[in-house]
Amino acid sequence: DVKVTQSSRYLVKRTGEKVFLECVQDMDHENMFWYRQDPGLGLRLIYFSYDVKMKEKGDIPEGYSVSREKKERFSLILESASTNQTSMYLCASSWDSVPYEQYFGPGTRLTVT
Amino acid sequence: GQSLEQPSEVTAVEGAIVQINCTYQTSGFYGLSWYQQHDGGAPTFLSYNGLDGLEETGRFSSFLSRSDSYGYLLLQELQMKDSASYFCAVKAMNRDDKIIFGKGTRLHILP
Repeated sequence: DVKVTQSSRYLVKRTGEKVFLECVQDMDHENMFWYRQDPGLGLRLIYFSYDVKMKEKGDIPEGYSVSREKKERFSLILESASTNQTSMYLCASSWDSVPYEQYFGPGTRLTVT
Repeated sequence: GQSLEQPSEVTAVEGAIVQINCTYQTSGFYGLSWYQQHDGGAPTFLSYNGLDGLEETGRFSSFLSRSDSYGYLLLQELQMKDSASYFCAVKAMNRDDKIIFGKGTRLHILP
């Protein structure tokens, strides 16, 4: 079974803190993604990566950065956390071939106070 | 721009059939996918339509018509456990080549 794990299920941080969210997949997938999910807004893509040390901006990259030093690990960084970044963060991975099925991690519920 | 439109909520009765529609505006894409997400859970892949027509997987079927820019997910013999949110998604055929999700349809099932 494909497994995508995220470092924390719940996280509470203060405004201005630097926050690291880690994601690890065990299926040698080329592609990895970070989304945030908010009620009524669906899944919004923050960043994605098609290869090690490669990254592409998604739809809402402002306030975030990413790192992919190893194929299995994709990190999301909130440089200076703000209250409007309180959300559910979902990591996903996939092979770069049809049907491009994405496997999601369990999510990290981040609260910024 | 590129967007996918789905109804925000649909209600159906246990044992019945329900159809969740997805209309899209995108210049080109590889195929249409559907995901299911239960409350508190992560999205899980349900189906993929690379070509026009109907794909069937047990109680679930998915349909795509590229000429009509339209697809749907059909759930038959509804069970209470089917209560969830359903998302359509496409992998856009453009410079970014990213996957675009609809905002999701919340399916409520009445006993």
